[in-house]
Amino acid sequence: GQQVQQSPASLVLQEGENAELQCNFSTSLNSMQWFYQRPGGSLVSLFYNPSGTKHSGRLTSTTVIKERRSSLHISSSQTTDSGTYLCALERDYNQGKLIFGQGTKLSIKP
Amino acid sequence: GALVYQYPRRTICKSGTSMRMECQAVGFQATSVAWYRQSPQKTFELIALSTVNSAIKYEQNFTQEKFPISHPNLSFSSMTVLNAYLEDRGLYLCGARAGQNYAEQFFGPGTRLTVL
Repeated sequence: GQQVQQSPASLVLQEGENAELQCNFSTSLNSMQWFYQRPGGSLVSLFYNPSGTKHSGRLTSTTVIKERRSSLHISSSQTTDSGTYLCALERDYNQGKLIFGQGTKLSIKP
Repeated sequence: GALVYQYPRRTICKSGTSMRMECQAVGFQATSVAWYRQSPQKTFELIALSTVNSAIKYEQNFTQEKFPISHPNLSFSSMTVLNAYLEDRGLYLCGARAGQNYAEQFFGPGTRLTVL
């Protein structure tokens, strides 16, 4: 089965609402990264977060290794936050190999 | 800062022909370079991983015969898609990392391949 599962697959919110994106993994973890994929396809790195909580503006990432999950929280969402968000993990014995989730497609309505 | 460039950004090739794409790390020495592909409606999957002092390792569904990779130094890598067919279309990303364990991976903007 899939080693990295993201949920929900898609999420529609009104502008101003908070978004919670989940990433669950079934394998051991060396590192976890969250990306935003631009419409053209390129990836924007949001967080490199092997464990714990990190903040960046309206974004917060929390990785709990024991529970095998990582989350991305977007507060006070804006229409410009719309797009696809991907989590990717690196297992502890594979240097440089990232396993990507299927992504969450976020749509923020004005 | 750490940047990864990819060239070309977009390319179109006829079915059965080959195309080469390049990846360059700027501002850091990449201890590992990974090539990924995102096929339409799918997530990214690893094609091959090249690390310092190791041979290039291909994932199960990809071969050196189909996707030969050249990695002459820590900053540059190129990959060729040989005999491209419709199933090879997609976005090819190059990811480079500057450390061993616990190091962030930086991605280029990708090369989008269309096969006619």
